[in-house]
Amino acid sequence: DPKIIQKPKYLVAVTGSEKILICEQYLGHNAMYWYRQSAKKPLEFMFSYSYQKLMDNQTASSRFQPQSSKKNHLDLQITALKPDDSATYFCASSQDNWVEQYFGPGTRLTVL
Amino acid sequence: GEQVEQLPSILRVQEGSSASINCTYENSASNYFPWYKQEPGENPKLIIDIRSNMERKQTQGLIVLLDKKAKRFSLHITDTQPGDSAMYFCAAGSNYQLIWGSGTKLIIKP
Repeated sequence: DPKIIQKPKYLVAVTGSEKILICEQYLGHNAMYWYRQSAKKPLEFMFSYSYQKLMDNQTASSRFQPQSSKKNHLDLQITALKPDDSATYFCASSQDNWVEQYFGPGTRLTVL
Repeated sequence: GEQVEQLPSILRVQEGSSASINCTYENSASNYFPWYKQEPGENPKLIIDIRSNMERKQTQGLIVLLDKKAKRFSLHITDTQPGDSAMYFCAAGSNYQLIWGSGTKLIIKP
C-alpha cells in the first residue's frame, strides 16, 4: 500500500516539450521535496516545501517549477525539456523540516 | 556550495565481514545525519540516522558513529550478507536541506 505516489512511473518526452510529474503523499507529512538522480549526479536535491511554502530551491533553471495545490501534493512542472533532463525524479516527504525523509518510487524521465 | 564527501565510492567485502563507509561534512551547523540504502531500480530507503546530540547509534547490524569535532560520521555494517549489496548514501542536514554524499557501491563477495 504505497504511501507516496508518483505518476507516471515512466515518461518519454520530446525535446522542447513540457511535462508535469505528480507526487502525492499519504503519510500526513508537512514537508515535501524533489530530488533528481542521474548517472552524472547520484542524488541531487532540487526543492523543499514546508506547509506548502517553498523553503529551499537548489535548481538553477527556472524551467523547473514545483506546484503545491494541497499540503500533500507537490507536482513538478518541467518546461522546454532537454535531453540532459533525462533522469529519475524522486519525490520525498517528512513530518518536519529536513529529517527522516521518505522517498517515493520515482518517475523515470527520458527526453529524446 | 556545501559538500559532503563520501568514501569509498566502491567497496568490496567478503560475506560475513564488516563494511565501513565514511563521510565528512563542512557545515558545523549540521545536526542530522541519515544513511540511505538504494537497491537497483528502487528508491533510497532510510536505514539509520543520528542526531548531533549522540555519538553512536546501533540498530540491527548497523552502527553509526559521529565525530562532531572532526565533522565526520561513518556507517559500519557488521556480518555482511548478500542482501547488503546496494548503493549507500550519507547526508548531512540543517536549514531545510540535506547535503548528500556521492554514494558508495557496496559489493558483498560470496
